Amino acid sequence: GEDVEQSLFLSVREGDSSVINCTYTDSSSTYLYWYKQEPGAGLQLLTYIFSNMDMKQDQRLTVLLNKKDKHLSLRIADTQTGDSAIYFCAAKGWSSGSARQLTFGSGTQLTVLP
Amino acid sequence: KAGVTQTPRYLIKTRGQQVTLSCSPISGHRSVSWYQQTPGQGLQFLFEYFSETQRNKGNFPGRFSGRQFSNSRSEMNVSTLELGDSALYLCASSTGTADEKLFFGSGTQLSVL
Repeated sequence: GEDVEQSLFLSVREGDSSVINCTYTDSSSTYLYWYKQEPGAGLQLLTYIFSNMDMKQDQRLTVLLNKKDKHLSLRIADTQTGDSAIYFCAAKGWSSGSARQLTFGSGTQLTVLP
Repeated sequence: KAGVTQTPRYLIKTRGQQVTLSCSPISGHRSVSWYQQTPGQGLQFLFEYFSETQRNKGNFPGRFSGRQFSNSRSEMNVSTLELGDSALYLCASSTGTADEKLFFGSGTQLSVL
């Protein structure tokens, strides 16, 4: 089945750019997602990209997809303290014969320092 | 438009008991998925319901079950609770289309003593 991996921690200074990386194993994954989770809350969908795209930009967020290397990244420009949260990468691929399951990475804890 | 609503927000149970969690999806969404989130295992998929039918199932024991009603509301049941079932249970709704954008509720924090 699909496996999604992320680094666990990232610290940046306020105003800098943050780059969160993710790798996945299933080359047939059709959609890839980034979610944000703040303490005590559920997951908030930030953005997503279809597998035939290389890049998607949405205000301060830029998603880059390298399909050959099965590598996904999320860049947050001008990072603010309110961006401190856990960021999850998720891939929609095949698992036990079904394409409908999203597999999540373990999450990257982003800490924004003043 | 109201978001995904999960009740209750917190639950405390003892080993051997059973528990039912509820999820009301976004209006118009026909798919409801359930996930278990723990510090050690991360987010693990439990099952997905679409139009009252279980469409996909993760690798959890039969003690974990669910159902979906005609109004798309869903319930999840865990019987014979174990200490390891302590977790945040998240419900997510979607339209059920190919892009599978999931919208999550705030979750039910279950503690098993």
